[in-house]
Formats: sequence, C-alpha cells, structure tokens
Amino acid sequence: KQEVTQIPAALSVPEGENLVLNCSFTDSAIYNLQWFRQDPGKGLTSLLLIQSSQREQTSGRLNASLDKSSGRSTLYIAASQPGDSATYLCAVVNSNSGYALNFGKGTSLLVTP
Amino acid sequence: DTGVSQNPRHKITKRGQNVTFRCDPISEHNRLYWYRQTLGQGPEFLTYFQNEAQLEKSRLLSDRFSAERPKGSFSTLEIQRTEQGDSAMYLCASSPWTGERTQYFGPGTRLTVL
Repeated sequence: KQEVTQIPAALSVPEGENLVLNCSFTDSAIYNLQWFRQDPGKGLTSLLLIQSSQREQTSGRLNASLDKSSGRSTLYIAASQPGDSATYLCAVVNSNSGYALNFGKGTSLLVTP
Repeated sequence: DTGVSQNPRHKITKRGQNVTFRCDPISEHNRLYWYRQTLGQGPEFLTYFQNEAQLEKSRLLSDRFSAERPKGSFSTLEIQRTEQGDSAMYLCASSPWTGERTQYFGPGTRLTVL
C-alpha cells in the first residue's frame, strides 16, 4: 500500500524567505506526482504535476523536483509571500492503478509579514 | 466558469437521513473522481468513473454509499442512513483520458451529521 509522508507538518516563516517542503512515498512505481495547495475550508488547486519520467517542473516561484528511485519530492517556494499561506499537499498516482491519487497529510505553511 | 462545480457547498443533516451531492466536471473530461477529506488529513480516494462506467471503488465506500454518472457527464454521490462518522468534506475531481491526467478539483461539499 502506498504511503505518502510530508515533512514538516507545519512551518512558519517570515516573508521573503525561500523554503522547501518535503514529500516521501514508499512505492517508487508511480505514474505521476502532483503538488496541490488548499486554503482553509476550500477545494484543492493543482500547482505542479511531474510525470514519472521527469525530474522537475517549474511554475513562477515554484519548483518541484522528483527522485523516483529514492521515493522523494520537494517543493521549493522562492521569495515567500503572505498570500502563500495555505496547506500544501503532495499526492502520487501508482503505476498499477493510473488514476487514484494517494495523498500525504499536508504541510501547513504560514508566511508572516 | 469552466471549472469543476459541486453542490451543495454545505449540508447539515441529522443522523439517519439520506443525503445526495452533485458534481459537474470540466466538460471535456471523461474521468471523474470522488474523494473524502476529514480534518487534518489528506483526501482519501472513494471511487472513479470513466464516462458512465464506475471502474473502481475503495473499501472506504461502504454499502451505504452509492455513486452514479448516468450519462457520462455530472455525477451524484448518495449516502444513506448517515452516521456522525460521515462528517467530512467530499471532493470531486475530473481529468482527461489522455495526456498528463492532471486532476482538477471542485470546491467540495462540507457534510455535517448531527
């Protein structure tokens, strides 16, 4: 059974800092990995998707990397802003299923002005 | 707005009542997914459809739960004889059949069972 773990569970940083969120998964046979953002009481917003054959993806101030063999992904946020405050979720789709997302519990980020 | 929509956004019901939620996916997406999220946890997969066919159900989906996608467009999720443990956010997502298969989520339906 795929287990997805996110570290840290919570993080508080001052505005302007660069930060890294970590995600690990136990089964390296994945189809893809997605990072999502969730604001309190809201649905999920897709941030980045990395296919199993890719090593990284970038969108604006966000960069996600994938090391499939070691079962790890990182989300790098540059020059953090108060508007980045949210919960960030990592999820993988297993190769043998191809559809269901397996989520971690998320990292709750607070960026203070 | 061409995103995924869900209705209602909030539902409060008494234990033992039946409830039904609706999801309208992005129009060109033929895959539709239901997830459940409880406080402090990541979403958990419940079931998924490809067009009108329900292809997979999680063991989390007890026999009190039923989902349909009658014409391969919108989907409904019904919970019969609700229990307090059913209180959660119910999320719907859709994705295309080809390409990266990015899943796009709706705003969710918050269910509270009293």
